[in-house]
Parts: sequence; C-alpha cells; structure tokens
Amino acid sequence: ETGVTQTPRHLVMGMTNKKSLKCEQHLGHNAMYWYKQSAKKPLELMFVYNFKEQTENNSVPSRFSPECPNSSHLFLHLHTLQPEDSALYLCASSQRDNSGANVLTFGAGSRLTVL
Amino acid sequence: GQSLEQPSEVTAVEGAIVQINCTYQTSGFYGLSWYQQHDGGAPTFLSYNALDGLEETGRFSSFLSRSDSYGYLLLQELQMKDSASYFCAVPNQAGTALIFGKGTTLSVSS
Repeated sequence: ETGVTQTPRHLVMGMTNKKSLKCEQHLGHNAMYWYKQSAKKPLELMFVYNFKEQTENNSVPSRFSPECPNSSHLFLHLHTLQPEDSALYLCASSQRDNSGANVLTFGAGSRLTVL
Repeated sequence: GQSLEQPSEVTAVEGAIVQINCTYQTSGFYGLSWYQQHDGGAPTFLSYNALDGLEETGRFSSFLSRSDSYGYLLLQELQMKDSASYFCAVPNQAGTALIFGKGTTLSVSS
C-alpha cells in the first residue's frame, strides 16, 4: 500500500448508529488531517494532528470524535449523526517542516450517508 | 478571518488557454497553493507560490501577487482530462493546515 488509504469508501448509517472511519498513511508524514467535503461547503477543515497530538479542532460538533493512536493512523468516530452530516470525508497527511509549503496528500475519501 | 474567492465555473475548448483567478484575505501570509480534483477522486497538489511571480510546471503555471492578495492558475493546451475542480488554498491562522477556496469547476469540450 502506498499513499493515504481510507476505509470504508462508502458508509450508510442511521442517526442512532456508531461507526468509525479509518485513515492510514504510508508516507512517513508527521501531520494528519480530516476534511469534510459537501456541496455547500467544499473542503472544510475539521481536525489537525501533528506528531499524533491534536493541534486544531475547527469548531466541530462533539458527535465527531477523532483519534490518532500514532503518526500513521487516524480515525474519525461517528455517533448520533444528522442527515446534514452526509458528505465526503477526506483524510490527508503532510510532512510539516520550515520550508513554508505544506503539501497535503489526500486519501480517496469515505462517502457517508446518514439516513 | 480568512477567505478565498474564485469563480465557480469555467468552460473552454481543447487546445485553449484558461486562467483561474483566486483572491484571498488572510492575516499573515505563507504562500498560495493549488489543488486539482477530478470527479470522484482525491484532491492532488499542483503548485505552490511563496514569492511573487510565475511558477511554470509543464502545461500548468501559477502566479502570485502578494501586494494584491491575488493569484491565478494558468492552464495551457487544454485537454479533456483537465476537466476537474481546481482549488486555491492558503495556510490557516495557526499555520497548521490549509484553508481551501470553494473551487472552480473547469469543463473542457472538444
């Protein structure tokens, strides 16, 4: 496996379900991110982890709970979601350094539908 | 706060040249990036400008004017495969992640 891998690619869940999205990066990067992409707000930043420590929570509702057990894995735990949470959830990673450029490598995304 | 503005749609024909503009508002500035996303695919990095001027990478070029808070992506010799969404992005205030514009959908026809 190379790059950034996300599973599952598609998920349908009811509002009372609990599910998790998984992201794994094989690039040796030190930062990982969750973005939400929907028609109304494309590529909206949710969470940032740097060296597996959360450095940013972009005012995300508590029904979304991230977990970063190590610098290669990132999870997004979902519970009691709303239909408006239906979207494409994109994971990304990057190698943060002092060069200025922060080049993100994205996974293919997990398409979530909340019924 | 931070914001980026870019046109929502652009159409062109094969072989043409198209320019996608991006204006931004941000406190502090650490460079303008461009990403491409094909329908159903992941966004992929295209270019990064930290300094004023034009950066050329094959058929694609990116320009930045920091004094005007403005940049553009120039696509030359357009091909059908260039049909995609193009996003400009700047670092967030903390410098920990990228904030993206709403994207420009480019449609290339034959």
